[in-house]
Amino acid sequence: NAGVTQTPKFQVLKTGQSMTLQCAQDMNHEYMSWYRQDPGMGLRLIHYSVGAGITDQGEVPNGYNVSRSTTEDFPLRLLSAAPSQTSVYFCASRESSYNEQFFGPGTRLTVL
Amino acid sequence: GESVGLHLPTLSVQEGDNSIINCAYSNSASDYFIWYKQESGKGPQFIIDIRSNMDKRQGQRVTVLLNKTVKHLSLQIAATQPGDSAVYFCADLNNQGGKLIFGQGTELSVKP
Repeated sequence: NAGVTQTPKFQVLKTGQSMTLQCAQDMNHEYMSWYRQDPGMGLRLIHYSVGAGITDQGEVPNGYNVSRSTTEDFPLRLLSAAPSQTSVYFCASRESSYNEQFFGPGTRLTVL
Repeated sequence: GESVGLHLPTLSVQEGDNSIINCAYSNSASDYFIWYKQESGKGPQFIIDIRSNMDKRQGQRVTVLLNKTVKHLSLQIAATQPGDSAVYFCADLNNQGGKLIFGQGTELSVKP
């Protein structure tokens, strides 16, 4: 199993540009989440999904959209990038509520 | 709102000593807690978890203690090694298992 994969690893955007961060898992996990991590801080939940077709907001959802059309994929969209969205983004998945959550390697995003 | 926080942002210990990392949570309805380790440039890695119907759980060199009365969680690492140097996060599962919320993190530094 590849586990949780994220692309790209690094990205630089200009303010106002849009882009999609990709996340995929091959473990048939129902739960998937997106977090952002700013320097010296913990992980903050952006959006999460408990199954295909179901998404919900986390702690810091503004400026981000998600969809979950398949079990495997959970893309994160930035509609109009802002410098405040400069961060490291982690995708994660787990089988169900009370199971170990696996993290991807992260995407380092810089918005100029 | 809810918060999962840590008492100390940094902890420095001598190699071979035991380490104790603390965490406080505010939601009395939280029923699942997880400890993660994050090394520089990597995604968080699961260490150990505990359900709210337990007070203690042991793993390999690690023990998690849960005190529901004072809403306190701790991670004990026995015979701390240089490879244990990392940032440690506690996380709390709430909202009926959907949201996994992370605390700020404690940076553990092991002196040889």
